[in-house]
Amino acid sequence: GNSVTQMEGPVTLSEEAFLTINCTYTATGYPSLFWYVQYPGEGLQLLLKATKADDKGSNKGFEATYRKETTSFHLEKGSVQVSDSAVYFCALSDPASGGSYIPTFGRGTSLIVHP
Amino acid sequence: GAGVSQSPSNKVTEKGKDVELRCDPISGHTALYWYRQSLGQGLEFLIYFQGNSAPDKSGLPSDRFSAERTGGSVSTLTIQRTQQEDSAVYLCASSRDRYEQYFGPGTRLTVT
Repeated sequence: GNSVTQMEGPVTLSEEAFLTINCTYTATGYPSLFWYVQYPGEGLQLLLKATKADDKGSNKGFEATYRKETTSFHLEKGSVQVSDSAVYFCALSDPASGGSYIPTFGRGTSLIVHP
Repeated sequence: GAGVSQSPSNKVTEKGKDVELRCDPISGHTALYWYRQSLGQGLEFLIYFQGNSAPDKSGLPSDRFSAERTGGSVSTLTIQRTQQEDSAVYLCASSRDRYEQYFGPGTRLTVT
C-alpha cells in the first residue's frame, strides 16, 4: 500500500536558518504530492503541491521538488521566520490505488523557530 | 470565499454519552473527509464521502462511530457511548478535484 515517511521532530532552528524537512513515499501509481502546514489551534492548510515527476511546488518561500528516482519530496526554505513555527505534513494522493482518493499523510514534523 | 466550517469548536462530554460533530464543506465540493488527530499524532482517516456514492467507512475505528452526509453537503460525525480514548481533534476536509483538500479548524473533543 501507500505510505509517507517524514523525519521525526521537533526541528528547532534559529530565525534565518535554512530548513529541510525530509519526506519519502511509496506508492503503486503516479501520485500527486503535497505539503500541508498546521499552525497552532488551526486545521491544515495546503502549502504547496506537485503533480508529476520533476515538478517543483513553491509558496511563501518554501519549495519542494518531486523526485521520482528517489521517491522523495523534501521541503526546503532558505531563511525561516518565527512565524513559520508549525507542524508540517507531507501527503500523497494516488488514484491508482484501486480508484481511492483517500490521501495518505505522514505523521507530521513540528518546526520551532527561535528569534 | 467561505471555507470549511466545523462545530462545535470544543466539546467536553462525559464517558458513555453520545456526541455529534458537524462539518459544513465548501460549496460545490463533492468530496468530504473526516480525520482524527490525537495529541502529537498524525492524521487518522475515518470516512470519505464522494458525491452520491456509498461512503468509504474503512477508517472508522469501531461501530460506535458513524457519519452521514445530507444532500451532498453538510456532514455529521456521531460517536456513541464515548470513551476516553475518543478524546482528540476531529478534522473535516472537503475537495473539489479529489486531490487538494481544504480543512476546517477542527472540533476538540474531550471525554471525561
